[in-house]
Amino acid sequence: QSALTQPPSASGSPGQSVTISCTGTSSDVGRYNYVSWFQQHPGKAPKLMIFEVTQRPSGVPDRFSGSKSGNTASLTVSGLQPEDEADYYCSSYGGSNNYVFGSGTKVTVL
Amino acid sequence: EVQLVQSGAEVKKPGESLRISCKGSGYSFSRNWITWVRQMPGKGLEWMARIDPSDSYTNYSPSFRGHVTISVDKSISTAYLQWTSLQSSDSAMYYCARLQDLTVAGPDYWGQGTLVTVSS
Repeated sequence: QSALTQPPSASGSPGQSVTISCTGTSSDVGRYNYVSWFQQHPGKAPKLMIFEVTQRPSGVPDRFSGSKSGNTASLTVSGLQPEDEADYYCSSYGGSNNYVFGSGTKVTVL
Repeated sequence: EVQLVQSGAEVKKPGESLRISCKGSGYSFSRNWITWVRQMPGKGLEWMARIDPSDSYTNYSPSFRGHVTISVDKSISTAYLQWTSLQSSDSAMYYCARLQDLTVAGPDYWGQGTLVTVSS
């Protein structure tokens, strides 16, 4: 199963919004509402930010939001803060007991 | 507090075997599947495999099936990832993660990672 497609980079100034796309196929993102987003700071483990397309775990700021349309999911970070600078990965259930991750997006806070 | 604590970094030679571990605490270990994820240097995340600690049932990504083996000892709340013959291309960071109660929803809590270096 091929990796989900994400833009390599995205950026915004503090206080602005940035949206990251995650494009899969009708067999993964398009078929299942099981898209997650993870934040990874350098040298750290990934952290769950969004699950089931739109749900935020407790403790994750409401500046983070998720959505999906067709085969593409999106993560929006509103009111960018310096600590939001990190790599972001999407993932989706791919059916047949498989999961697939995105290629990753480096978010830079200018 | 849910925690997954992985074993320390390893340096091995090609052809050697290795087993790394992941110990869960702060929840009922048998209740949630454990999954393993590879991250090669400077690269993205790759799903490898998952295991149900309650009965040791496993699923593997086609990309990793036959090259690694995952197992679990639920009596000590520990999952394992092992290789019988390492290759230099196995050099990577390996993460264990707990799958959510709804397993198809993917991982929630992650271990800190185990760095494996394979070099002659």
